[in-house]
Amino acid sequence: GAGVSQSPSNKVTEKGKDVELRCDPISGHTALYWYRQRLGQGLEFLIYFQGNSAPDKSGLPSDRFSAERTGESVSTLTIQRTQQEDSAVYLCASSLVAVQNNEQFFGPGTRLTVL
Amino acid sequence: GQNIDQPTEMTATEGAIVQINCTYQTSGFNGLFWYQQHAGEAPTFLSYNVLDGLEEKGRFSSFLSRSKGYSYLLLKELQMKDSASYLCAVRAWGQNFVFGPGTRLSVLP
Repeated sequence: GAGVSQSPSNKVTEKGKDVELRCDPISGHTALYWYRQRLGQGLEFLIYFQGNSAPDKSGLPSDRFSAERTGESVSTLTIQRTQQEDSAVYLCASSLVAVQNNEQFFGPGTRLTVL
Repeated sequence: GQNIDQPTEMTATEGAIVQINCTYQTSGFNGLFWYQQHAGEAPTFLSYNVLDGLEEKGRFSSFLSRSKGYSYLLLKELQMKDSASYLCAVRAWGQNFVFGPGTRLSVLP
């Protein structure tokens, strides 16, 4: 594809439900990031994948959050037992790690609303 | 710890020049990035600095001083479409990116 895609674009769920967010990175990009952005705030790093290496999960806020990536393709971010504080835009980005400036290309995001 | 500071909001006039400052304290440094984010949209890459000095790209320039933990983004000949949030981000170590809170710039006619 031409860019990073994410689905769904919007998700409304009830407190306590599980949600799964999907990210399709740019083909050939070995690095993939997940960020959370609350309304009016900056990006909060969640997790980073690089090829077949163990992911950097240092930004995940609780054990309700998990993410997977198959090889260098699609990634899913799962939030279990959602809470109202999880409401935010979840952004995915991919990059070519071999490139020095390592520009991240962002997807359009998934806007999650927990009622 | 990791900390990046930027002014929360700035206002400037169309055609003017504006400088957005960013200071950082991170455990390691491997490059500083500026991103532009229009309301409701994803961030887009503007510039990258890893060595001290000024990088110029059209109407946009970015400066870095590693010894001072300081960067700025300079926007010249402001246009209405430049109204957006500007995010400063540091690649602290490995591929760990730390983003600042962003500066919301409003360009007035």
